[in-house]
Amino acid sequence: AQTVTQSQPEMSVQEAETVTLSCTYDTSENNYYLFWYKQPPSRQMILVIRQEAYKQQNATENRFSVNFQKAAKSFSLKISDSQLGDTAMYFCAFMKLTGGSNYKLTFGKGTLLTVNP
Amino acid sequence: DAGVTQSPTHLIKTRGQQVTLRCSPKSGHDTVSWYQQALGQGPQFIFQYYEEEERQRGNFPDRFSGHQFPNYSSELNVNALLLGDSALYLCASSLQGVEAFFGQGTRLTVV
Repeated sequence: AQTVTQSQPEMSVQEAETVTLSCTYDTSENNYYLFWYKQPPSRQMILVIRQEAYKQQNATENRFSVNFQKAAKSFSLKISDSQLGDTAMYFCAFMKLTGGSNYKLTFGKGTLLTVNP
Repeated sequence: DAGVTQSPTHLIKTRGQQVTLRCSPKSGHDTVSWYQQALGQGPQFIFQYYEEEERQRGNFPDRFSGHQFPNYSSELNVNALLLGDSALYLCASSLQGVEAFFGQGTRLTVV
C-alpha cells in the first residue's frame, strides 16, 4: 500500500515571498503520478500541479513548481511570489498507474499555509 | 460548464439512519470517485465507478455503497450511520484520465 507523508501541519509566509511545502511518499511502484491539490475554505479541491514519475524534468505551473526526487521519494512544492489567495490547505497525493479506469488518489494529511499581508 | 456538482451541501442525520449523497460529474466525464474527509485529515478513497460498475474500493465497510447511472451521475449511500461517519464527502470525476475534478463536497453531521 502507498503512503503519503506531509510533515508540516502548518506554515506561514509573508506576501510576495517564497515558501516550500514538503511531501514524502512510500511505494514499490515504478509508474505513478504525484499531485499537489489546494483546498481553500470553500472546500473544493483544486489541482495545483502534477508530475509524472517517468519524467525527470520537474513540473512548473506559473508561480508553482515542484522538486521531484524519485530515488528519495520526495515531492516538494515551491510557491513563488506568494499571494493572499494562496492561503489554503495543501495536499500531496499519489496515484499509481494500474491501467484501465482505476484512478485512486492517496492523500497526505495536508499542510495549512497562511499568507500574511 | 458547471463542473462537478454535489447535493446537498450540508446534512444532519441521527445515528442509525441512512443517507444518500448525490454527484453530477463534469460534462463529458465518465468516471466518478468518492472520498471521505474527516476534520483535519486528508481525503480517504471510498470507491470508484465506471460504466455503472464499482471498479475499485477502499477500506470502508459494506455500510457504504454506491451506484452510477447511465448519465454518469452517482450516489453514495451510507446505512446505519455512526457518529464517526461525520465528515466531508467529496466526489471527483474524470474522463478515463488522471486529472480528477472535485466538487465542493457534502458536509455530513451525525448526531
